[in-house]
Amino acid sequence: QKEVEQNSGPLSVPEGAIASLNCTYSDRGSQSFFWYRQYSGKSPELIMFIYSNGDKEDGRFTAQLNKASQYVSLLIRDSQPSDSATYLCAVRNNQGGKLIFGQGTELSVKP
Amino acid sequence: DAGVTQSPTHLIKTRGQQVTLRCSPKSGHDTVSWYQQALGQGPQFIFQYYEEEERQRGNFPDRFSGHQFPNYSSELNVNALLLGDSALYLCASSGRDRFSGNTIYFGEGSWLTVV
Repeated sequence: QKEVEQNSGPLSVPEGAIASLNCTYSDRGSQSFFWYRQYSGKSPELIMFIYSNGDKEDGRFTAQLNKASQYVSLLIRDSQPSDSATYLCAVRNNQGGKLIFGQGTELSVKP
Repeated sequence: DAGVTQSPTHLIKTRGQQVTLRCSPKSGHDTVSWYQQALGQGPQFIFQYYEEEERQRGNFPDRFSGHQFPNYSSELNVNALLLGDSALYLCASSGRDRFSGNTIYFGEGSWLTVV
């Protein structure tokens, strides 16, 4: 079992729709959870992090964390073609520790 | 406020050669981590430096080594290059308090091709 699992996609949504990206992790000791966006040929950009159960919103992005289910998700509202990228989920099991990444989910937003 | 800077951007090396990649962390950050990202995969942790010492290491051979300088900048060295070392090498910068420890930023990366 991989430590962090994501559906590789591609996930295709129409412009203006809500895109839902999911991630599961195996280490119950994981403390912090991160979402990064990576455009083709570029480096990962931090979207947001979350460490408490529940939802965290930042603009069009909402991260949801359920530690009991070992599940973290990212919702993108009003999806735009410019949101088309690979979305990387990462977890960390202690403050200051290494990030463990999933393989990423490719998102395609169609005009 | 400069972000994380890495150099060189692209480089091509021959099998068996050695390479040095450089990173300057974001202002206010003192911790540097290095990751290797192969095509189609998520980044893999190589090692982390702070206070000029290697604090954590991932599952990479001793051919991969690093250094951190007093100004927090860092180098990644790879000896005896193999074709499989071809990848994007990413430097990540963070701080030690809870906020800066969670706002982990990546540089633009160094694309290494081994031929």
